[in-house]
Amino acid sequence: LAKTTQPISMDSYEGQEVNITCSHNNIATNDYITWYQQFPSQGPRFIIQGYKTKVTNEVASLFIPADRKSSTLSLPRVSLSDTAVYYCLVGDPFYNQGGKLIFGQGTELSVKP
Amino acid sequence: DAGVTQSPTHLIKTRGQQVTLRCSPKSGHDTVSWYQQALGQGPQFIFQYYEEEERQRGNFPDRFSGHQFPNYSSELNVNALLLGDSALYLCASSPPGGIGGELFFGEGSRLTVL
Repeated sequence: LAKTTQPISMDSYEGQEVNITCSHNNIATNDYITWYQQFPSQGPRFIIQGYKTKVTNEVASLFIPADRKSSTLSLPRVSLSDTAVYYCLVGDPFYNQGGKLIFGQGTELSVKP
Repeated sequence: DAGVTQSPTHLIKTRGQQVTLRCSPKSGHDTVSWYQQALGQGPQFIFQYYEEEERQRGNFPDRFSGHQFPNYSSELNVNALLLGDSALYLCASSPPGGIGGELFFGEGSRLTVL
């Protein structure tokens, strides 16, 4: 399974755009990139998933370059409630319904007023 | 529509004891996965249940076992508890034909082993 590397922590201010980059040099052809958000003492929550180019939903955007060796999660205009740990995961989501997710250390995002 | 529910939310055990954690998946979901999350770490996959059978397993010893019932609910059992088993245990469910990689997690059961 592809290993991911992401910053341990990031700081931002309310209203700013936050970009969290994840490296996954050994990504396989069948692998997708998935991001989860986790608040303290809660389970992770699915944010977005993509395979290549750009994916956007009501919460975030995911940018994936052509070589797919990295990806960037973009959170527009963050608020204090976006303070959380963000996990980048790489794997084949269609294998056994993707139940086996490999989480790394995650990026602890702190949004300040 | 209730999401994934887990019980108990908190519990304290002593070394050598056994514990059973319970999970009810989100309505319409048939696959349940269990994760262990130590403090400051990302969740680690324990195993996955589908059609009442263990389908995948992570790198956890046989002290960790599980069960899935006909109504898709699930239990996680841990025998001979060690101090290192102290963690947040998360249950996640997914629907048939759902977006692979999108799991719905409960809020977890916080286990403390003394």
